[in-house]
Amino acid sequence: DGGITQSPKYLFRKEGQNVTLSCEQNLNHDAMYWYRQDPGQGLRLIYYSQIVNDFQKGDIAEGYSVSREKKESFPLTVTSAQKNPTAFYLCASSTKTSLYTGELFFGEGSRLTVL
Amino acid sequence: ILNVEQSPQSLHVQEGDSTNFTCSFPSSNFYALHWYRWETAKSPEALFVMTLNGDEKKKGRISATLNTKEGYSYLYIKGSQPEDSATYLCALNSGGYQKVTFGIGTKLQVIP
Repeated sequence: DGGITQSPKYLFRKEGQNVTLSCEQNLNHDAMYWYRQDPGQGLRLIYYSQIVNDFQKGDIAEGYSVSREKKESFPLTVTSAQKNPTAFYLCASSTKTSLYTGELFFGEGSRLTVL
Repeated sequence: ILNVEQSPQSLHVQEGDSTNFTCSFPSSNFYALHWYRWETAKSPEALFVMTLNGDEKKKGRISATLNTKEGYSYLYIKGSQPEDSATYLCALNSGGYQKVTFGIGTKLQVIP
């Protein structure tokens, strides 16, 4: 079945360590996104990518980095510079033709806890 | 950053009851309003994408309406069932990839 796979589902890391969250899609979608969820807040955009080898900062990009070397893959690295990395992270994708009106397709998320 | 508000934040209803929740948003720069259903341990899934003022959409027992002039959308569930228990998110698209703003969601629990 087509969809978005995020891994790992749960991740524990010590403060000061970089961690990378994986996101893979087989929907042939051009655009991919990373969102963060915190209690009492709506999903917030970290980074998005419209095409391969291109990506843009979202509203809360500080302390994060991404790459888009393949259409199917959009990994997110949470660096030690991110002041409050403990959160739930969702990856999503969409088609280019549905930029304004199309739905987002989501993975099941990754929960990162920094000890 | 635009403000998309959802109410209530949570509610419990008995099986068979009908219920509704609200999403309010600024009406400027409106392109589309999305509703998603997010069940625990699963991925959010789109219910409706609404673009025109006065739109009404229906999927089974769930329906939604849209008023872009006054900036609100209602989601209705008729005859709630336990499988309707989920968090319902609304999201405003105000102009493209980076312009989707989510509300915090309404968490619905249907009690058998």
